[in-house]
Amino acid sequence: DAGITQSPRYKITETGRQVTLMCHQTWSHSYMFWYRQDLGHGLRLIYYSAAADITDKGEVPDGYVVSRSKTENFPLTLESATRSQTSVYFCASSEARDVYNEQFFGPGTRLTVL
Amino acid sequence: AQTVTQSQPEMSVQEAETVTLSCTYDTSESNYYLFWYKQPPSRQMILVIRQEAYKQQNATENRFSVNFQKAAKSFSLKISDSQLGDTAMYFCAFITGANSKLTFGKGITLSVRP
Repeated sequence: DAGITQSPRYKITETGRQVTLMCHQTWSHSYMFWYRQDLGHGLRLIYYSAAADITDKGEVPDGYVVSRSKTENFPLTLESATRSQTSVYFCASSEARDVYNEQFFGPGTRLTVL
Repeated sequence: AQTVTQSQPEMSVQEAETVTLSCTYDTSESNYYLFWYKQPPSRQMILVIRQEAYKQQNATENRFSVNFQKAAKSFSLKISDSQLGDTAMYFCAFITGANSKLTFGKGITLSVRP
C-alpha cells in the first residue's frame, strides 16, 4: 500500500528491554521524522533525517537511537526502555525540495513501558 | 527559542456555529510557514490549512480559514458551520528554514455538540 506506515501499532514492553519501532514510506521522500506525543506537550521531535545515512537530533533525543540505511525506512530504537518513554510515537515524511512542504504522518504507535 | 502557545486546552461549540481556535508563536526568523493539524480520535494527523508568512492574504480551505497577524505573531483558526466530524484535537505548528523542524503547540481539544 502506498503512503507511510508504522509497526507495530501497539506495543507493551518492560523496563530495560530494547524496542524498535518501524516506519516505512513509499513516496521516496527524503526527509523523515520521529515525534512523540504526550498529554500537555503536543508533539515533540525526537530525531529527523534529511536523507539516507544523514540523521540529526531533535528536541528530546535522549534514550533513542535511529538509523536510515534506506530512504524508505527510518526505524526508532529504545535501547533500554523506561517508563517515561510510554507515549504515542509518530513517524512523518516530507519531500526534499522544500523544507516547508507538508509533513505526512503515519498512524502512530502506542508504546507502554511497564 | 521557537515556541508555539495554544492557551485554551479545551473548547466546545454547537453544531453549525463558528468557533475560533487561538495560537501565538515566537520566532526571530522572518520567513516561515504556519500550519494547523487536526487529530481525530483515530489519532491520524491531518493537515487542515497552511499559511506562508510572506503572504498577507489569509489562507482559506472550505470551512476553515485563518487570521494571520504577523506583527502580533498570532495565527488563529476559524471553523465555520461546525460539524460533528470536526470533533478532534487541533495543533498549531510552524517551521522555519533555519532548522527545518516543525514546532508544535500543546493542542486544543474541540468538541462539537449536536
